[in-house]
Amino acid sequence: GAGVSQTPSNKVTEKGKYVELRCDPISGHTALYWYRQSLGQGPEFLIYFQGTGAADDSGLPNDRFFAVRPEGSVSTLKIQRTERGDSAVYLCASSLNPADTQYFGPGTRLTVL
Amino acid sequence: SQQGEEDPQALSIQEGENATMNCSYKTSINNLQWYRQNSGRGLVHLILIRSNEREKHSGRLRVTLDTSKKSSSLLITASRAADTASYFCALSNFGNEKLTFGTGTRLTIIP
Repeated sequence: GAGVSQTPSNKVTEKGKYVELRCDPISGHTALYWYRQSLGQGPEFLIYFQGTGAADDSGLPNDRFFAVRPEGSVSTLKIQRTERGDSAVYLCASSLNPADTQYFGPGTRLTVL
Repeated sequence: SQQGEEDPQALSIQEGENATMNCSYKTSINNLQWYRQNSGRGLVHLILIRSNEREKHSGRLRVTLDTSKKSSSLLITASRAADTASYFCALSNFGNEKLTFGTGTRLTIIP
């Protein structure tokens, strides 16, 4: 596609449930990033993939969060036992190479009730 | 990790005027990027300026970088109502590809 796409655009779930958020990067981009943005704040880094491997997962808040990129393209962010504090907009970005311009998707707004 | 700090937090100007936003940081950077965000969703990339560059232009946008003062500015000339948005600076450190964002400047253009 022409840009980074994310699905779903909105996700409402109940506390304790499991959710998966999907990111389709720009074709050919080797680097993929996940960020989380709370209301009134700037995005906060979660994890970065170079190819299939997670090169930096230092931003994942705890072990309930996990992300994969099995074929080096599409990535899935997985959140187990969701909590109300997980409510935020989850943003995905990709870049042609590391340290190049990062292009962001429209985000997934996650609401945990 | 360091975080860029934007100044001012909010700015309201008349359409046609110029808008200037500033970003300050604490440690050395590889590059600095400016993004625009409308309605709390998708971030639109505006300009990337590398640590060895001092100024870049793109249309009505002008970005400067002063590494000695550890600061950058974004100038929007001849503002339009469509420029109303939040603007973020994002820092990239050497050997670290993740971006660190500030809290942003909320710009409102009054028609």
